Amino acid sequence: DSGVTQTPKHLITATGQRVTLRCSPRSGDLSVYWYQQSLDQGLQFLIQYYNGEERAKGNILERFSAQQFPDLHSELNLSSLELGDSALYFCASRPGGQANTGELFFGEGSRLTVL
Amino acid sequence: GEDVEQSLFLSVREGDSSVINCTYTDSSSTYLYWYKQEPGAGLQLLTYIFSNMDMKQDQRLTVLLNKKDKHLSLRIADTQTGDSAIYFCAPLGRADSNYQLIWGAGTKLIIKP
Repeated sequence: DSGVTQTPKHLITATGQRVTLRCSPRSGDLSVYWYQQSLDQGLQFLIQYYNGEERAKGNILERFSAQQFPDLHSELNLSSLELGDSALYFCASRPGGQANTGELFFGEGSRLTVL
Repeated sequence: GEDVEQSLFLSVREGDSSVINCTYTDSSSTYLYWYKQEPGAGLQLLTYIFSNMDMKQDQRLTVLLNKKDKHLSLRIADTQTGDSAIYFCAPLGRADSNYQLIWGAGTKLIIKP
């Protein structure tokens, strides 16, 4: 158990809909990362937050947005869903923001299926 | 941007050694990581090597780093069925003032009985 909790574990929805994925980082971790893992594109970094502020942005679509709340949990919002958004979405956390180490603690992921 | 390349699949017989290879482009990477993803699970840190090292051994795992060729490998001795997983190579790169892992596509290790 990594200590990172993601909900829901599975989600099935239709094209055009909007969903919210939730992540609770390990206790005390200030940094939260979101990743998308699909069969054809591997693991893609979406966005990072540190203590409530956006720290780095990766390949995140404009239809997607995220935030980190004062209690440090984070939400990833996916809107106007397309079939190609079907993927496993991972949240990961680590203690610091600019720490020059790469140890991340991953949740078990939220599997999104868009029909 | 920086890039990391790995073979997508590796098939080995149980009891043999597995060698998973990775090449990367960011020569400034200070730490280079291997993550393991078991079926249906998230990724977990397996091992790492600091850039001033050539080799690191941890029980059945051996990490080799060739900085000149920007080549990283992970050797698993006496491969077991429990080693079936996807293995990700992830050097730590720096963009602006932020450190980020740069992920390979992952190598799926398949164990043949």
